[in-house]
Amino acid sequence: LAKTTQPISMDSYEGQEVNITCSHNNIATNDYITWYQQFPSQGPRFIIQGYKTKVTNEVASLFIPADRKSSTLSLPRVSLSDTAVYYCLVAHTGGGNKLTFGTGTQLKVEL
Amino acid sequence: EPEVTQTPSHQVTQMGQEVILRCVPISNHLYFYWYRQILGQKVEFLVSFYNNEISEKSEIFDDQFSVERPDGSNFTLKIRSTKLEDSAMYFCASSDTRDGRGHAETQYFGPGTRLLVL
Repeated sequence: LAKTTQPISMDSYEGQEVNITCSHNNIATNDYITWYQQFPSQGPRFIIQGYKTKVTNEVASLFIPADRKSSTLSLPRVSLSDTAVYYCLVAHTGGGNKLTFGTGTQLKVEL
Repeated sequence: EPEVTQTPSHQVTQMGQEVILRCVPISNHLYFYWYRQILGQKVEFLVSFYNNEISEKSEIFDDQFSVERPDGSNFTLKIRSTKLEDSAMYFCASSDTRDGRGHAETQYFGPGTRLLVL
């Protein structure tokens, strides 16, 4: 599986847009880019997944350039409750594949 | 919305004792997983389970660990003789890719069991 690299931490203020970029230079053809969120003492929670271009759901947007070597998770108008660790993962198509978590990005949102 | 549940939420045990962590995956999911997270560290894969057998296991998942799906709803992780270094948060997850859309599966995680070995 392709290794991912993302910033260790980011700080923001309520109401701002936050963009977290992840690099995955060795991503394979059958890999998808997936982002999870984890609050302290809770299990990771799926946020969004994409293969290429742009994906948007009610929580976030995911931008993936044509070469797919990086991706950007965009959180619009963050609030205090968005303070969490955000993980960028590369996952194979299909089922039964383990998820390999890195250290993630600790996002801290302040007033 | 369906969710993965885990019991107990906290478990304290003495070194050398056996513990069983329980999970109820989302109904109709086919794949089941255990992960662990030592305090302040990364989430680590332990084992995946499909069709009543282990699909993959990590180096962490040695002979002290075992998994079982004793009935149609529960999925358990047993640690036979706990060590101090087994202290961690243990997460169960499940997934289902029968929708045929050809994407990478979404794994749904439970709230975890915090295991403390003294």
